[in-house]
Amino acid sequence: AQSVTQLGSHVSVSEGALVLLRCNYSSSVPPYLFWYVQYPNQGLQLLLKYTTGATLVKGINGFEAEFKKSETSFHLTKPSAHMSDAAEYFCAVSSSNNDMRFGAGTRLTVKP
Amino acid sequence: EPEVTQTPSHQVTQMGQEVILRCVPISNHLYFYWYRQILGQKVEFLVSFYNNEISEKSEIFDDQFSVERPDGSNFTLKIRSTKLEDSAMYFCASSEIRASEQYFGPGTRLTVT
Repeated sequence: AQSVTQLGSHVSVSEGALVLLRCNYSSSVPPYLFWYVQYPNQGLQLLLKYTTGATLVKGINGFEAEFKKSETSFHLTKPSAHMSDAAEYFCAVSSSNNDMRFGAGTRLTVKP
Repeated sequence: EPEVTQTPSHQVTQMGQEVILRCVPISNHLYFYWYRQILGQKVEFLVSFYNNEISEKSEIFDDQFSVERPDGSNFTLKIRSTKLEDSAMYFCASSEIRASEQYFGPGTRLTVT
């Protein structure tokens, strides 16, 4: 079975500061990894994904994530936070023979 | 840009009543999913559907739940006898292949009174 752990249910940063949202996964087969964002009262929108190839993946809105197999991690980063980044972020894992499973989510607050 | 649509956006029902939540997945997608999100909590997998049958379901998806693809476009989730704890946001999603990114609809907020 696959699972995802997101460390920190709430993260607060100042505008312009580095954003780091942590995600660790568990998988017995090569994982596919995703980050989704959920703005208030909306559905989930894909930020970025890793399937194979380059381990540093870039997504929308300036976010990127790095797949580190040795650490079983897929942390999400953004160099400079904007007020508009305030949202709930979900890490998810799947594989060629497993449906997607989501982490518990991290609520990002951006202070002016 | 193609998108997943869901109707209704908000459904209020009385405990014990049947509800049907409707979804129109992206037209060339082959895999369909339902998820549930209780207010303030994580997104929980309910069921996946491929080739007109359930491919995987979670422990939440008990005998009160069923899914159907009644025609070439709609994908429905039925709850036979709703309970108060079924109150949640229900999201439909679809994907081209099983492990690829899923595209989510805007959700249906179900309120059971």
